[in-house]
Amino acid sequence: EAGVAQSPRYKIIEKRQSVAFWCNPISGHATLYWYQQILGQGPKLLIQFQNNGVVDDSQLPKDRFSAERLKGVDSTLKIQPAKLEDSAVYLCASSLYLDRANQDNEQFFGPGTRLTVL
Amino acid sequence: QKEVEQNSGPLSVPEGAIASLNCTYSDRGSQSFFWYRQYSGKSPELIMFIYSNGDKEDGRFTAQLNKASQYVSLLIRDSQPSDSATYLCAVNPSGGYNKLIFGAGTRLAVHP
Repeated sequence: EAGVAQSPRYKIIEKRQSVAFWCNPISGHATLYWYQQILGQGPKLLIQFQNNGVVDDSQLPKDRFSAERLKGVDSTLKIQPAKLEDSAVYLCASSLYLDRANQDNEQFFGPGTRLTVL
Repeated sequence: QKEVEQNSGPLSVPEGAIASLNCTYSDRGSQSFFWYRQYSGKSPELIMFIYSNGDKEDGRFTAQLNKASQYVSLLIRDSQPSDSATYLCAVNPSGGYNKLIFGAGTRLAVHP
């Protein structure tokens, strides 16, 4: 079974530029998550989708970050304009269901995109 | 603000010893608890899940949960150098569907 795919793996941009990340979840997984992991910290949930609808975006900085999952499969996370403090690894994860937090509904993580903002 | 706290470490243990990793959480209504392992430069992978008070064992790993004290721990028996990684505690908060709040992680170093 193929895992969660993300691209690009690395990105270096200047502050105030824009950047986009792509995620393809595990086939059949209805729920998709974007996390931000700053060096030395744990992942922080930015947005959670159920199919193509947003379930939770309470920690997404909406003035600069946006995300979509138009057809309920792939997702794109965009930052515009980027700030120095956005330097982090952006992790995409997926799970089968929305409403169960247990071992049968494990969140599987992709390899992440490491963003450096100069 | 719902929080998950972990000692950042590093926790250094000799090969073959027991490593004990601890985690506290602030949301008393939290329902389920996860331990993820993250190797340097890699993504997190699930190693243990627990939702009932008490102990849960899986191979060399034992998770312990005490909801009254809002405390979760992970024991790794017969630690191996390959266990050297950051261990992330994650909590499913009340009302959060399959949402996880992660601690900052504890770095474990197992030396031969």
